[in-house]
Amino acid sequence: DTAVSQTPKYLVTQMGNDKSIKCEQNLGHDTMYWYKQDSKKFLKIMFSYNNKELIINETVPNRFSPKSPDKAHLNLHINSLELGDSAVYFCASSSRWEAYGYTFGSGTRLTVV
Amino acid sequence: AQSVTQLDSHVSVSEGTPVLLRCNYSSSYSPSLFWYVQHPNKGLQLLLKYTSAATLVKGINGFEAEFKKSETSFHLTKPSAHMSDAAEYFCVVSEGDSSYKLIFGSGTRLLVRP
Repeated sequence: DTAVSQTPKYLVTQMGNDKSIKCEQNLGHDTMYWYKQDSKKFLKIMFSYNNKELIINETVPNRFSPKSPDKAHLNLHINSLELGDSAVYFCASSSRWEAYGYTFGSGTRLTVV
Repeated sequence: AQSVTQLDSHVSVSEGTPVLLRCNYSSSYSPSLFWYVQHPNKGLQLLLKYTSAATLVKGINGFEAEFKKSETSFHLTKPSAHMSDAAEYFCVVSEGDSSYKLIFGSGTRLLVRP
């Protein structure tokens, strides 16, 4: 199936731990993103990579570090997790040649305890 | 800077009646606008998009939206609600002249009563 897939779907971890979320897309898109959805359902962009180059880096603590090994993958690593990092993290991809619109992954629900 | 305002946090309709979810936008550019739907504990699905072609945009599942520049609105409608339409709906604008950054509205929860 063509899609944006992210793993894991659920992640429960203790404060202070380091964790990673992985994302892969097989749509041939050239741009990938991480969005954060808070407890009030508000969605905000965190990072964007175009052809492995970082193009958007919003005001995000530097404990969050994206890594794009190739155009099809964008991983999110989080150091020293805090309670406030609990949220749903969505990966997405898009192509400038497809008249806009993203394809989103199904999300990773991160709970920090 | 671009922004979107969804005027209702919750909308409740009876099954079979029309749906109207309101959205106003602010943009310095000719905007690209989208509606996304999120069902409970699911990801985001694109319903429809406006990218400066026809002002009346038809999407999936019988939804449509009309771009009205004079009113800076992009309201989402459906003639007849179905129980499966119950979800969170997000109005979205792309920032600038590229699709790289999407600005989301705060969402409208649609409740459908039997």
